[in-house]
Amino acid sequence: GAGVSQSPSNKVTEKGKDVELRCDPISGHTALYWYRQSLGQGLEFLIYFQGNSAPDKSGLPSDRFSAERTGGSVSTLTIQRTQQEDSAVYLCASSQAVLALRAQYFGPGTRLTVL
Amino acid sequence: GESVGLHLPTLSVQEGDNSIINCAYSNSASDYFIWYKQESGKGPQFIIDIRSNMDKRQGQRVTVLLNKTVKHLSLQIAATQPGDSAVYFCADLSYGQNFVFGPGTRLSVLP
Repeated sequence: GAGVSQSPSNKVTEKGKDVELRCDPISGHTALYWYRQSLGQGLEFLIYFQGNSAPDKSGLPSDRFSAERTGGSVSTLTIQRTQQEDSAVYLCASSQAVLALRAQYFGPGTRLTVL
Repeated sequence: GESVGLHLPTLSVQEGDNSIINCAYSNSASDYFIWYKQESGKGPQFIIDIRSNMDKRQGQRVTVLLNKTVKHLSLQIAATQPGDSAVYFCADLSYGQNFVFGPGTRLSVLP
């Protein structure tokens, strides 16, 4: 596709269950970012991947959150034992390089609701 | 960016008027700033950026002003149109750090 895609677009889960959110970046983009956007709040940085380098996990809010990026392309954000406060829109973005800040393209997001 | 709680500030303007959206940042070491537009149900879209060695930058119908003395950023939209209705938020970045995003301002364009 021409842009960043994310799936699912909506996810409703029960407290305590695990969820996986997927991001397909733009082909050729080496940098991939995950953000969280809670209602009425700005974007909260979670993690970014740059090529084959170790990811910057400094934004992950707890050890229940993890992410991986396979083959330098698709990324999966996993939230274990979900809590109600995890409810938010999870956004993925990609760019050609970390410093190519102008070219950070965002996906439409996955809206996660934890009941 | 700064957190202003659960309710986004809202700016309502008449179609055709100019809009000014403001943003305060807290990191005096920030050297790069971006304005994003986010329409309902979509991801943020880049509008315009500015580096700390500048105090003004113009795009098509948009102008960003940077005041480093008071750590303030503004986005001016000329001749606001209905399609400009969205949430606008700023992001700042300092070398070696991650983006910090403001909570956003909702712009409503009145007919």
